[in-house]
Amino acid sequence: GQNIDQPTEMTATEGAIVQINCTYQTSGFNGLFWYQQHAGEAPTFLSYNVLDGLEEKGRFSSFLSRSKGYSYLLLKELQMKDSASYLCAFPSGGYNKLIFGAGTRLAVHP
Amino acid sequence: DADVTQTPRNRITKTGKRIMLECSQTKGHDRMYWYRQDPGLGLRLIYYSFDVKDINKGEISDGYSVSRQAQAKFSLSLESAIPNQTALYFCATSDSTGTEAFFGQGTRLTVV
Repeated sequence: GQNIDQPTEMTATEGAIVQINCTYQTSGFNGLFWYQQHAGEAPTFLSYNVLDGLEEKGRFSSFLSRSKGYSYLLLKELQMKDSASYLCAFPSGGYNKLIFGAGTRLAVHP
Repeated sequence: DADVTQTPRNRITKTGKRIMLECSQTKGHDRMYWYRQDPGLGLRLIYYSFDVKDINKGEISDGYSVSRQAQAKFSLSLESAIPNQTALYFCATSDSTGTEAFFGQGTRLTVV
């Protein structure tokens, strides 16, 4: 079957680093996405990993281990505006559609 | 202007009423999707379409129907709305590689 697990909620302090984990199960792996979603707004694309390893993009980095079915999103130098939900997703059925996890709600406090 | 536009942005309707949510896109993408989002459940796929002649059910299609009027337009209908269809609905598009989805701003639907 297909499944994605993420922690429901996390809290962190402004200026700190936080790691949001995602474990998944799928047949025919075609990459893993991370999206950011502020409350009541549309999800916006953050990253897409196909190969193992860490990809860095500014304050955000995403890591993938295909053998372990594991990914994480690393957010550095946290800002208050990073308070949002972070959604892990993968394409299913040969890129037919994106399957989303329930998301991790991150609260950044001063 | 937004690349993916949903109308209306907010709607309150009564149980049993028929309602249509509309989505249009200017990205030139072939693939369009309708998702529904409920608290704690993430985004769940209702229907998706690869082109004007292709419509596919997602994981929660019961109680919904769709129409792909043109490459740029994909509408979602609730034939007889019920309260548990109260949710935030998102339209999305992607190109043929499916490697990134672009979302509309969402429609908040309340069925009373």
